[in-house]
Amino acid sequence: LAKTTQPISMDSYEGQEVNITCSHNNIATNDYITWYQQFPSQGPRFIIQGYKTKVTNEVASLFIPADRKSSTLSLPRVSLSDTAVYYCLVGSMDSSYKLIFGSGTRLLVRP
Amino acid sequence: DADVTQTPRNRITKTGKRIMLECSQTKGHDRMYWYRQDPGLGLQLIYYSFDVKDINKGEISDGYSVSRQAQAKFSLSLESAIPNQTALYFCATSDDREQETQYFGPGTRLLVL
Repeated sequence: LAKTTQPISMDSYEGQEVNITCSHNNIATNDYITWYQQFPSQGPRFIIQGYKTKVTNEVASLFIPADRKSSTLSLPRVSLSDTAVYYCLVGSMDSSYKLIFGSGTRLLVRP
Repeated sequence: DADVTQTPRNRITKTGKRIMLECSQTKGHDRMYWYRQDPGLGLQLIYYSFDVKDINKGEISDGYSVSRQAQAKFSLSLESAIPNQTALYFCATSDDREQETQYFGPGTRLLVL
């Protein structure tokens, strides 16, 4: 399973765009990249998933370069309620698929 | 009603006791998972089940056992609880067709004295 590396923490202000980069140098051909958000004392919540290039949904965008050794979660115009821990995960869509969570990135959004 | 429920939500027990944490889901998913989370850390996979007859160990299965009683129910047992099993435990489910999207329960906070 590919290991991921993310910054431990990030600070931002309301209304700014936040980009969180995840490194996954050993990503395998079949691996997908998935991001989750977790608030204190709650279970993680799926944000976005991609395989290559760019994916956008109503919450975030995910940018994946051609070599797929990293990915960037982009949160547009963050608000105080976006303060949470964000996890980057990689996993393959095969019969043994399972998610391995790292320590995540703690995002603090200030007023 | 919540799609993934866990009982109890909080539990205090003593070292050496056997306890069971239960998880139920109404999403109709075949895949279910148990994770533990220690303060300030990420989630670690304990056990996972891809269907009723398929149960697999995760990263940290020692000291734990599971039972998949039905598609909708997946229980985690601590055979003989020890203090370093004090943690927040999450159950999750996923669909075979969307494996990367897991739906988590509210968690069970366990304290082993």
